[in-house]
Amino acid sequence: QKEVEQNSGPLSVPEGAIASLNCTYSDRGSQSFFWYRQYSGKSPELIMFIYSNGDKEDGRFTAQLNKASQYVSLLIRDSQPSDSATYLCAVKWEYGNKLVFGAGTILRVKS
Amino acid sequence: GAGVSQSPSNKVTEKGKDVELRCDPISGHTALYWYRQSLGQGLEFLIYFQGNSAPDKSGLPSDRFSAERTGGSVSTLTIQRTQQEDSAVYLCASKPWDSVYGYTFGSGTRLTVV
Repeated sequence: QKEVEQNSGPLSVPEGAIASLNCTYSDRGSQSFFWYRQYSGKSPELIMFIYSNGDKEDGRFTAQLNKASQYVSLLIRDSQPSDSATYLCAVKWEYGNKLVFGAGTILRVKS
Repeated sequence: GAGVSQSPSNKVTEKGKDVELRCDPISGHTALYWYRQSLGQGLEFLIYFQGNSAPDKSGLPSDRFSAERTGGSVSTLTIQRTQQEDSAVYLCASKPWDSVYGYTFGSGTRLTVV
């Protein structure tokens, strides 16, 4: 069964620290990977996507992909209380047109 | 429109009643998706529309669920004979068919079956 796995958390980090969020997936042929942020009571918002092995940086966010290990991560540098949210990892399987989502990791940034 | 629009934003219905949820995607987005999110859970895929192609209905949980998309734009998700386990937030998303990016979600419809 194709799956996307995330640690549910909550992950608590102090303000200014680096938050590291991890995700593993089961479909070895997957090519596209996404991170969504979801504030409580709100809909998911795309913050990063990556499809090449290695790192992709955008501001305080860095996505890391290792296809051999079927592992994708999101690093948030200089974490702020406003980063407190649920972070959803999503994977586009090799075949098909939909994204499969993990259950999400709750991040809490303490000031 | 500027974003994906869903209505109603909240719906409370009695068990056994039928409900219709509406999604108006971003103009020009030919791909449209329905997901649902139960409390504290991840997003569960329901159905996918792409242009005039046959929809991917593989995620619909039972035959009480159906969806249609008229004119390649607005979509309606219908749940017949609602059950309490249908209570969830129903999210619609859209994207251009050839986009490699993720999709844009609407604000969702919170369905409560009492």
